Amino acid sequence: GQQLNQSPQSMFIQEGEDVSMNCTSSSIFNTWLWYKQDPGEGPVLLIALYKAGELTSNGRLTAQFGITRKDSFLNISASIPSDVGIYFCAGQLQGAQKLVFGQGTRLTINP
Amino acid sequence: NAGVTQTPKFQVLKTGQSMTLQCTQDMNHNYMYWYRQDPGMGLKLIYYSVGAGITDKGEVPNGYNVSRSTTEDFPLRLELAAPSQTSVYFCASSTPTGRRTEAFFGQGTRLTVV
Repeated sequence: GQQLNQSPQSMFIQEGEDVSMNCTSSSIFNTWLWYKQDPGEGPVLLIALYKAGELTSNGRLTAQFGITRKDSFLNISASIPSDVGIYFCAGQLQGAQKLVFGQGTRLTINP
Repeated sequence: NAGVTQTPKFQVLKTGQSMTLQCTQDMNHNYMYWYRQDPGMGLKLIYYSVGAGITDKGEVPNGYNVSRSTTEDFPLRLELAAPSQTSVYFCASSTPTGRRTEAFFGQGTRLTVV
């Protein structure tokens, strides 16, 4: 099946640092979504992107829909302890119906 | 607005037992999905449905069955539970309104097969 390559798989950072993660594919996507999963909970939608080049913010989070439509990026500025969790990207392939998920980036923050 | 509701939240089964994980959504979404998440891992698609009466296999369908008789409900059936099916199961729903597709998840069912 179609795979999204999400990287890095894990990050260990200090509180206050900025975070960057990305998802890439060899195929073209119509939609990119970014989710966060807290321990013991289901994933929650953070940001949705629908146009190539689109840049959208949600508080300290900023995500971009890559110009080639084959990638997306999520940045978190000035990380705080509650940012800990697993971040997933998801995309809807051009011409397809179901969503495809990346493998997740596990974020750990040292106070 | 309840969103996506999964029951039960926790379940322990013995090997060989059967059970149904329930999922219902009240957002009138066309698309529904079942994922499993093993410890420390990502989401693996088990089955999905694009509307009532239509289902299709995902990446890991073996050992599971689904049905979609209504728009709201998408139950996942385990016929002969095996320890390898110990996992957290998430149901999600979405609808492609025009070009907008956003999936919403339930809280998960934590299943242990002993």
